[in-house]
Amino acid sequence: TQLLEQSPQFLSIQEGENLTVYCNSSSVFSSLQWYRQEPGEGPVLLVTVVTGGEVKKLKRLTFQFGDARKDSSLHITAAQPGDTGLYLCAGVLAGNTPLVFGKGTRLSVIA
Amino acid sequence: GAGVSQTPSNKVTEKGKYVELRCDPISGHTALYWYRQSLGQGPEFLIYFQGTGAADDSGLPNDRFFAVRPEGSVSTLKIQRTERGDSAVYLCASSPGTSGDTQYFGPGTRLTVL
Repeated sequence: TQLLEQSPQFLSIQEGENLTVYCNSSSVFSSLQWYRQEPGEGPVLLVTVVTGGEVKKLKRLTFQFGDARKDSSLHITAAQPGDTGLYLCAGVLAGNTPLVFGKGTRLSVIA
Repeated sequence: GAGVSQTPSNKVTEKGKYVELRCDPISGHTALYWYRQSLGQGPEFLIYFQGTGAADDSGLPNDRFFAVRPEGSVSTLKIQRTERGDSAVYLCASSPGTSGDTQYFGPGTRLTVL
């Protein structure tokens, strides 16, 4: 069973559209991270959220951590072709336990 | 500055052979992690080093997998008697201090077992 479920698995949109991707779990996480991964490269950290209800913005990207710290969302405004990639969420359950990753959402933004 | 580097970038081997995958972390980073990413999946934790010692090896799937970091810098992931199911991208990451720090990933080694 997957501890972190990401949806949708695939998303193809036109440049300029808005989108939201989700990361859900039945477990509580002490922190949650979002990464972007491009083909042939390792994941690159975008943001870390640690407080329930926390909202962080990174230019056109808005990240939210659920109040119960079981879920998170990533919203992209006015998507651009450069946003294309695999978006991964990853969480830490407690203490020094290893990062657990979801399967990712593969986003394609068409010009 | 230089990021995490991994060699080789691609490795093709036959079932039953032994392989070694190398990771050069960012200079000065004390923590080093190995992950495995199968097609269509997110990275899966294998092992975490703090300095020279393996602080957590709970993700190693079986005793065919072993990793070392003898001088607290470069690490080698060793896989004995490779199986087709071992085919994946093996990612290495390093971080400055404890397991809570930001992890910086290398580009990975794509292992194909024929």
